[in-house]
Amino acid sequence: KQEVTQIPAALSVPEGENLVLNCSFTDSAIYNLQWFRQDPGKGLTSLLLIQSSQREQTSGRLNASLDKSSGRSTLYIAASQPGDSATYLCAVSYTGANSKLTFGKGITLSVRP
Amino acid sequence: GAGVSQTPSNKVTEKGKYVELRCDPISGHTALYWYRQSLGQGPEFLIYFQGTGAADDSGLPNDRFFAVRPEGSVSTLKIQRTERGDSAVYLCASSPTVDSPLHFGNGTRLTVT
Repeated sequence: KQEVTQIPAALSVPEGENLVLNCSFTDSAIYNLQWFRQDPGKGLTSLLLIQSSQREQTSGRLNASLDKSSGRSTLYIAASQPGDSATYLCAVSYTGANSKLTFGKGITLSVRP
Repeated sequence: GAGVSQTPSNKVTEKGKYVELRCDPISGHTALYWYRQSLGQGPEFLIYFQGTGAADDSGLPNDRFFAVRPEGSVSTLKIQRTERGDSAVYLCASSPTVDSPLHFGNGTRLTVT
């Protein structure tokens, strides 16, 4: 069974700290990996998409890396802000592009002012 | 421009009733996806449309669930003989192509009493 694991389930950090969120997946034959943000009561917002042939993607203060051989991805958030408080989910696709994503349970991040 | 719109935002129904959940994707997006998210869990894939046809319906849990997209735009997720275990947030997403990042709606929270 293909599984995506995100540990810890929750994280609290002071404002300004650089932080790393981890994601691991059991089957390394992925098509791509995506990181999403979810605010309470809202849908998901796509942050970064990494194709299987890529090793990282960057957008602003966010950097996502992918190591297929070890089945891991990390989302790095630089200089965290209270507005970064949300749940961060990673998802992998095995069957091609977006067609069927397998999600982790997410990491709920709280950035304290 | 408008994002993905889902109606209703909340639906409370009695066990055994029939419900319909509507999704209006972003105009021009050919790919449409339905996911289900239970409390504290990541979204779970249900079905994916490419145009009018269901390209992958392997995530539908049983034959009580059915989805249509007759004109390649609006989609309706239909649930017959609802059960309490169907209670969840039903998320719809769309993308311009199957390789593009997903755009999610805010979801419909279904509660079966």
